[in-house]
Amino acid sequence: DAEITQSPRHKITETGRQVTLACHQTWNHNNMFWYRQDLGHGLRLIHYSYGVHDTNKGEVSDGYSVSRSNTEDLPLTLESAASSQTSVYFCASSDPGDETQYFGPGTRLLVL
Amino acid sequence: GENVEQHPSTLSVQEGDSAVIKCTYSDSASNYFPWYKQELGKRPQLIIDIRSNVGEKKDQRIAVTLNKTAKHFSLHITETQPEDSAVYFCAASHQTGANNLFFGTGTRLTVIP
Repeated sequence: DAEITQSPRHKITETGRQVTLACHQTWNHNNMFWYRQDLGHGLRLIHYSYGVHDTNKGEVSDGYSVSRSNTEDLPLTLESAASSQTSVYFCASSDPGDETQYFGPGTRLLVL
Repeated sequence: GENVEQHPSTLSVQEGDSAVIKCTYSDSASNYFPWYKQELGKRPQLIIDIRSNVGEKKDQRIAVTLNKTAKHFSLHITETQPEDSAVYFCAASHQTGANNLFFGTGTRLTVIP
């Protein structure tokens, strides 16, 4: 069955380290998104991509980057992790013909 | 950009009663309004959505209403059950070929048996 997966599911890192969170979907969706979820803020958009080699900044993009080299993957990189980036990260994907976004299982990141 | 506000932040109801969650949005160009349910430790999952050409949509015990003039939309859950306990998020987006969603801050619904 087609699905969307994230790895790792849990990550502990130290401030200043580079961290990459993986997102992989097998639906062949053009649109992919990264959100962070924090108590009191709901889900906030970090970056998004409408297709291969396309990337765009979302509401809270500072300190994050993404790249889209193929349809299936949109890795999220924290260039220099900060404690403020401790959060739960969700990726999502959708097809341009269907507005529904399908979410991955999430990655819980702790920055010490 | 779009600003979505959601109320209440917490809601407790007795099993069998109805629950109503309300959201407002700021951008009159928004025309797609999904609702997601997130159980503890799980991913958000779409439960119902509505487009701006429709005023109301129902799916069994769940209904969503939209008032474009007032820029607000609501989720109604009837005959609540303990398994309805979760956090519910509303969202809004423009339809521009892709669908960047702007989420509300969530409502934690507790259904008391």
